[in-house]
Amino acid sequence: QKEVEQNSGPLSVPEGAIASLNCTYSDRGSQSFFWYRQYSGKSPELIMFIYSNGDKEDGRFTAQLNKASQYVSLLIRDSQPSDSATYLCAVNNYNTDKLIFGTGTRLQVFP
Amino acid sequence: GAGVSQTPSNKVTEKGKYVELRCDPISGHTALYWYRQSLGQGPEFLIYFQGTGAADDSGLPNDRFFAVRPEGSVSTLKIQRTERGDSAVYLCASSLDSDRGRTFGSGTRLTVV
Repeated sequence: QKEVEQNSGPLSVPEGAIASLNCTYSDRGSQSFFWYRQYSGKSPELIMFIYSNGDKEDGRFTAQLNKASQYVSLLIRDSQPSDSATYLCAVNNYNTDKLIFGTGTRLQVFP
Repeated sequence: GAGVSQTPSNKVTEKGKYVELRCDPISGHTALYWYRQSLGQGPEFLIYFQGTGAADDSGLPNDRFFAVRPEGSVSTLKIQRTERGDSAVYLCASSLDSDRGRTFGSGTRLTVV
């Protein structure tokens, strides 16, 4: 079992729709959770982080965390073609501080 | 500096050669991380420095890989006897507080021919 699992996609959504990206993790000791966006040929860019169960909103982005079920998700409202990228889920355990990444989900937003 | 700087941006080397990849983190960031990313994969952890010391090098694939950070700022990832399987993008990241994630550099694309 991979430590952090994501559906590789692609996830295709029309412009203006809500894109929902999901991630599960295996280490119950994980304490902080991150979503990175990576455009093709570029390096990962941090867009959200969350530590506590529940929702965290930042503009069009909402991160959701459920530690009991070991999943974290990212919702993108009013999706734009410029949101087309690979979204990487990353999980950190304070004891190791490694930040483990999933393989990423490719999102395509079509006009 | 304003961001994490990595040099060179591209490196092509012959199988069996030695290479050094450099990372200059954001000023004041005490934690520095090296990752490796292959096509279609997420970044794979290699090594993490807190200050000058390697806090965790468990991700280094074998003893051909070594990294240093002698003054607690710039770090160099060293790969001996390169193999074609070492070809990847090597990413460096730094952070002040790991709770707030890492800031990545633009990476070094290493190609071993």
